[in-house]
Amino acid sequence: NAGVTQTPKFQVLKTGQSMTLQCAQDMNHEYMSWYRQDPGMGLRLIHYSVGAGITDQGEVPNGYNVSRSTTEDFPLRLLSAAPSQTSVYFCASSGGRGQPQHFGDGTRLSIL
Amino acid sequence: EDQVTQSPEALRLQEGESSSLNCSYTVSGLRGLFWYRQDPGKGPEFLFTLYSAGEEKEKERLKATLTKKESFLHITAPKPEDSATYLCAVQAPQAGTALIFGKGTTLSVSS
Repeated sequence: NAGVTQTPKFQVLKTGQSMTLQCAQDMNHEYMSWYRQDPGMGLRLIHYSVGAGITDQGEVPNGYNVSRSTTEDFPLRLLSAAPSQTSVYFCASSGGRGQPQHFGDGTRLSIL
Repeated sequence: EDQVTQSPEALRLQEGESSSLNCSYTVSGLRGLFWYRQDPGKGPEFLFTLYSAGEEKEKERLKATLTKKESFLHITAPKPEDSATYLCAVQAPQAGTALIFGKGTTLSVSS
């Protein structure tokens, strides 16, 4: 039972490059979210989705895009990487309101 | 404003020394308060959900309780393997099932 799978686990980018962080879940969950985790800041919501074709912004959406073409996948795109986007990124999914979110093991991203 | 505050930031215990972690929250319409454990290099691992004041949940040496303003995670006779960062979160009212997290309490248990 894989749960939430994130790829890659580690990535180094140069300023201005673009890339996509992948997230897939095999639990048939409608709700998915992306967070970033920074020292001293805790986990902060970037974007979320309540179902295929429906996405919305969270607390810190600038510089990131998302799409949800299938229930299983929720990729996060960095449009033009900046050093301030150096962070650990977590994807999560849940079955509904009031139910817990289940997290992947994260992507550690460094931008030089 | 919806927010979650955890204290202390760090806690050092001797094996067998019981203690409690605090989570204060402000949210318009609680739809669940969640406790997670996070080990270094890993994603948060779900522990408990509490829905209403007075509710309690237990798992091994951990017990979570909830009032109208705060939640406590009680750790009884901890072992070194309980060392981790413990995160508290509430479900955001206007963001699907997304969570508002506190900054966490890092627990270190020495033998």
